Amino acid sequence: DQQVKQNSPSLSVQEGRISILNCDYTNSMFDYFLWYKKYPAEGPTFLISISSIKDKNEDGRFTVFLNKSAKHLSLHIVPSQPGDSAVYFCAASAKRQGAQKLVFGQGTRLTINP
Amino acid sequence: NAGVTQTPKFQVLKTGQSMTLQCAQDMNHEYMSWYRQDPGMGLRLIHYSVGAGITDQGEVPNGYNVSRSTTEDFPLRLLSAAPSQTSVYFCASSYFGLAGTGDPTGELFFGEGSRLTVL
Repeated sequence: DQQVKQNSPSLSVQEGRISILNCDYTNSMFDYFLWYKKYPAEGPTFLISISSIKDKNEDGRFTVFLNKSAKHLSLHIVPSQPGDSAVYFCAASAKRQGAQKLVFGQGTRLTINP
Repeated sequence: NAGVTQTPKFQVLKTGQSMTLQCAQDMNHEYMSWYRQDPGMGLRLIHYSVGAGITDQGEVPNGYNVSRSTTEDFPLRLLSAAPSQTSVYFCASSYFGLAGTGDPTGELFFGEGSRLTVL
């Protein structure tokens, strides 16, 4: 039972254009949603998060949008740069047995073309 | 500041062998966890701990054991390795623990990963 889904395994975008990565979830009890970025042979690193009571959070070139009625969130990267080429994981967190646990999506490989 | 350190980075095992993946963090995080990454499956939680002496199972715990004797260390043990355990393993830690203090988002800090191949 995949609670967090990223239906696009890969995405290719031209440098300077907007990259939009999508994520769907099934559990209404998630408190926060996070995006992680992963380069080859490295661990995932935190990118941006959003509370379930918000609908938008912005940090520089990165904006996350949350649509609670559709159980959908998206990450916008504007403008896209070659260094943004990586695998992006969507994650959702909920408090279980005293701990805030993260559930991850399958990941989307983003390639930025010069 | 080392953050989360995992060893070894690479390991090849034969079916039935045992081994321990080591994880240490120097951020005084109460919460520690182990994930495995497989193609098309994302990151799946194996085991986690909310403090020394306390561990619990995640989504895919079978075939793995953990213990948490100190705040800093959270080793993952494979008692009898199987080819299905071929994967990349990540240890991660977080500020949020039993006390309920720290970052409420659940943001995790990851190690660099350990690639395990079971033949």
